[in-house]
Amino acid sequence: RKEVEQDPGPFNVPEGATVAFNCTYSNSASQSFFWYRQDCRKEPKLLMSVYSSGNEDGRFTAQLNRASQYISLLIRDSKLSDSATYLCVVNRGQTGANNLFFGTGTRLTVIP
Amino acid sequence: DADVTQTPRNRITKTGKRIMLECSQTKGHDRMYWYRQDPGLGLRLIYYSFDVKDINKGEISDGYSVSRQAQAKFSLSLESAIPNQTALYFCATSEPGQQEETQYFGPGTRLLVL
Repeated sequence: RKEVEQDPGPFNVPEGATVAFNCTYSNSASQSFFWYRQDCRKEPKLLMSVYSSGNEDGRFTAQLNRASQYISLLIRDSKLSDSATYLCVVNRGQTGANNLFFGTGTRLTVIP
Repeated sequence: DADVTQTPRNRITKTGKRIMLECSQTKGHDRMYWYRQDPGLGLRLIYYSFDVKDINKGEISDGYSVSRQAQAKFSLSLESAIPNQTALYFCATSEPGQQEETQYFGPGTRLLVL
């Protein structure tokens, strides 16, 4: 089983729509969680961290469900500029080893 | 100036050739990584280094080697390139020891092996 799994999409939504992505992780000991954004032919960049209590950054809301081992990202009032691939990232938090595991990404296209 | 730079940005080479991809960073991070990205497969870790004397294999190290010449430099070599090494390669750095460790990526190198 993969460390991190995401629905690859694509998600095609009209401007102004609300869209949600989910991601599941296999290691229950994972300690921290992130969403990265990757534009076409560009490098991934951190979008936001995901906290147990849930967190919001403008139109973006991230949620963590440790019991079910999934993470979600909600985008409200979608803009054309939100079109990108969104990568779910999990940090196992172990010392002395590589800890970060990336999902394959979910592609979002916002349509005018 | 970019914090993480990669050279070259694009490269076309032939099967059997040796090729080196360079990565430099000005962030002062100890940890550096090399990934490759293929459509539908996401980012896969090739090698990583937690300091100048530390080299570790990642998920897909076969056919690759690395050298950590200094804290700021981490190079990836393909000793004898083959077509299935055609991919987008990213270098990344991170701050050691933080639970909320995040990675900072270079702009990527597009490699085509004919």
